[in-house]
Amino acid sequence: QSVLTQPPSVSAAPGQKVTISCSGSSSNIGNNYVSWYQQVPGTAPKLLISENKKRPSGIPDRFSGSKSGTSATLGITGLLPGDEADYYCGTWDNSLSAGVFGGGTKLTVL
Amino acid sequence: EVQLVQSGAEVKKPGDSLKISCEAFGYTFANYWIAWVRQMPGKGLEWMGVIYPGDSAARYSPSFQGQVTISADKSTSTAHLQWSSLKASDTAIYYCARHRTTITSRPDYFFGMDVWGQGTTLTVSS
Repeated sequence: QSVLTQPPSVSAAPGQKVTISCSGSSSNIGNNYVSWYQQVPGTAPKLLISENKKRPSGIPDRFSGSKSGTSATLGITGLLPGDEADYYCGTWDNSLSAGVFGGGTKLTVL
Repeated sequence: EVQLVQSGAEVKKPGDSLKISCEAFGYTFANYWIAWVRQMPGKGLEWMGVIYPGDSAARYSPSFQGQVTISADKSTSTAHLQWSSLKASDTAIYYCARHRTTITSRPDYFFGMDVWGQGTTLTVSS
C-alpha cells in the first residue's frame, strides 16, 4: 500500500486531455514539493515535473503540474500515442523521514 | 553530459552478498544526493534511501533500514547499494537517481530526481 494514492489507470483518445491525481497527507504532499515521473515500459523513469509545477528543460508544455493542500495533479494535453506510459508522483514524507512514491498510473491513449 | 551509469545485471543465489554500483559523470558528484529506487517485477517505484557523497550521510526508508547498505566513494564518483544476504524477494530492478534538494544538506527539502541511471536487474534464485 503506497503512502500516496494514484488511480491505477486512465485513458483518453489522441489529442484529448487527461489528468492524474495524487493524494497524500499533511506529512507529505501538504508540506513538501511534489514531482512527477514518466516511465515507458522497459526504460528508466524520467522527471516530468519538479517543485509541484516546474518543467525541466526539454519537457513539452503539454505537461503541467499543480498542487492544492494534500493533493497534486498532473495534466497532459494534446495526447500522443507516445505518451502511453506509467506515471508516478513523488515527494518527501516527514513522518517516515523518507521519500515516497505513488503506486503509479497507467495511461492508455486509445 | 550529466549521467549516471549503473553496473550490469546480476544473477545470484539466496544467501549471497552483492554490491552494485552507480557511477556519476558530468557534474560534481560530492555535491548532490544520490537515491536508490527499487522496482519489483510488474510493480511501482519504491524509494529505498539516499546518500550525500560529500560526507556520506545516509538516510533509509523504514522499509529498507537494516536490509541494505548505501555507500559512496568520492574518489571514483560512485555510489553503491549492497546486500549481505540476498533473498528471492530482492529480485527487482534497482535504479539510482540524483535526488535534488533546495537546501544541499537537507534530503527532506526534496524537489525531484532529475537524472536516473539505466537500472540494474537483480535476479535471486536457487
